Amino acid sequence: NAGVTQTPKFRILKIGQSMTLQCTQDMNHNYMYWYRQDPGMGLKLIYYSVGAGITDKGEVPNGYNVSRSTTEDFPLRLELAAPSQTSVYFCASSYGGSGKNEQFFGPGTRLTVL
Amino acid sequence: EDQVTQSPEALRLQEGESSSLNCSYTVSGLRGLFWYRQDPGKGPEFLFTLYSAGEEKEKERLKATLTKKESFLHITAPKPEDSATYLCAVQDFTGGGNKLTFGTGTQLKVEL
Repeated sequence: NAGVTQTPKFRILKIGQSMTLQCTQDMNHNYMYWYRQDPGMGLKLIYYSVGAGITDKGEVPNGYNVSRSTTEDFPLRLELAAPSQTSVYFCASSYGGSGKNEQFFGPGTRLTVL
Repeated sequence: EDQVTQSPEALRLQEGESSSLNCSYTVSGLRGLFWYRQDPGKGPEFLFTLYSAGEEKEKERLKATLTKKESFLHITAPKPEDSATYLCAVQDFTGGGNKLTFGTGTQLKVEL
């Protein structure tokens, strides 16, 4: 069981470029999440999904898009990157059933926009 | 809107010096309170879930407790390998997706 995997680990983008952050989980979890973590700010939810084909906005969705075509994958798309999107991005997943609400996190992608 | 406040922001302990980290929360209806450990450059690692006031959970040198307004993470006789940032998060019954609201964490440093 690899758990939650994310690629790439690091990336530098120029302002206005686009990229996709990949996230895959092999735990057959229904729910998946994208967070960003900035120094001193805590983890902020960007988007989440409760199953294939179903996504919804979190607290800070502007500038991002997601899709969920399979149970395993939940990519995060950045269009027209801006310096404000410099952050560490974490993908997480959870079972989604009652009594098993803990989220399991990937190792993160460190993104710098210059 | 759910709110989580953790204190202190940073804590330095000597090896063997027990202490507690605090997590105060405001939530419309608590579904669960979660503790995570995060090492530098890594993703958060799940530690505990607490569901109701009075509940306690233990793992090695860590013990988490819960009241109606706050949770404590007690660290007994810590070792240098316990050095990490400890994150607290709450989940409520409103909305969908079992979303978490995180605090900003307590950075713990345990020295020899």
